[in-house]
Parts: sequence; structure tokens; C-alpha cells
Amino acid sequence: DSGVTQTPKHLITATGQRVTLRCSPRSGDLSVYWYQQSLDQGLQFLIQYYNGEERAKGNILERFSAQQFPDLHSELNLSSLELGDSALYFCASSVEARPSNYGYTFGSGTRLTVV
Amino acid sequence: TQLLEQSPQFLSIQEGENLTVYCNSSSVFSSLQWYRQEPGEGPVLLVTVVTGGEVKKLKRLTFQFGDARKDSSLHITAAQPGDTGLYLCAVGGNRDDKIIFGKGTRLHILP
Repeated sequence: DSGVTQTPKHLITATGQRVTLRCSPRSGDLSVYWYQQSLDQGLQFLIQYYNGEERAKGNILERFSAQQFPDLHSELNLSSLELGDSALYFCASSVEARPSNYGYTFGSGTRLTVV
Repeated sequence: TQLLEQSPQFLSIQEGENLTVYCNSSSVFSSLQWYRQEPGEGPVLLVTVVTGGEVKKLKRLTFQFGDARKDSSLHITAAQPGDTGLYLCAVGGNRDDKIIFGKGTRLHILP
């Protein structure tokens, strides 16, 4: 157990629908990062939050949004889902805002299948 | 264009053999990390290298950071089935806060 909790573990939904993925960071970590992993693109950075504020943005689609709550858990909202959104979505956390020698602690991911 | 190029993409070898996988870039980095990801799990940090020419050992795994801090290698001695997984190298953004990952080397050790 890495200490980063992601729910649900699996999600199957239809095109056009909206889903919410949840992440609880490791105790004491203030930064939360969301990544999308597909076979052809690898791990792609989506967005980072630090202590409730958006810190960095990557290749996140406009149909996707995220937020970090006062208790530091984070949610990633995916709407108007398309078949191509099927992927593994990982949350990671770290103590600091900037990348450090300590790296990230990843959760086990949510496997999203859009049918 | 990928910032980090990992090679080979796939590697399947017999238990007991040695292997080396590579992570290359045209950019200079202040540090570089290696992660291992097993099926159904998230990546797990193995090591961080920060000094050009640095060599770090983790049991049968030897990590090296290139002198120019543009590349790195991971050497596994006497590979075991438990070494099977996706090996990812990663670097911190030079100007921002995200970590960028290579596409990884998928390693399969045959018993």
C-alpha cells in the first residue's frame, strides 16, 4: 500500500457520459498530480494541485477538469467521454510543490473503459 | 517529439541473464529518476540520480547517470522473474513542476 488511495479501481461507462475519479494523497503530502496512461502515449501529465491551488497544467482536454479540496483529496472530472478516453488514470502525491529527489508516490490507478 | 527516449521498447530474456536498458535525451537535467511499474499498479520510485557520472546500486540493479546529465542506464545482473515489469525513466520539468516520463521499457524475464 503506497498510501495514495484511488477510487474506483475500475469504471466502465458509455460515450457521452461524465465520471469522477477520486484520489486521497499520502498523509502529509500537499501536491497531487494526475496522469493518463495509454499504451501508445505512455504516462501523460494532466494537471497538478498544491495545497488546493492549481499549480501546473499539461495536456488536459477542456472536457476534463480537476480540483483539490481543503482536506487535500482531489477529484478528476471527465465529461462527454469518447472511446479514446479509455485509459489508466493515475494520481500521485508529493510533499513539495516542485519535483524533488524524492519523486512521486503513485496510487494504483483507475482503469476507465468507455464503450 | 519525446523528451525522453527509452530503449529497447520491449525486452524478453531468460532468468539469470544480464541486461541493460537506456534512457536518452538531448536536454540536460538536474536529476533523473527510474520507476518500475507492475501490472495493475502505479509506478514505484527505484532511484534518483543527480550528479553527472553518478552510479547507484540497488541489490542487482545498477543505475548510472551520464557525465553530461543527458542520459542514464539501468543494468540488471542475473535477472529474475520478479524483475518483470515496465521500467520508466523520468525527469523534473526544468521550468515547471511536473515530472515527465519516458514511454518505458517493458521487460519480461522468462523462468
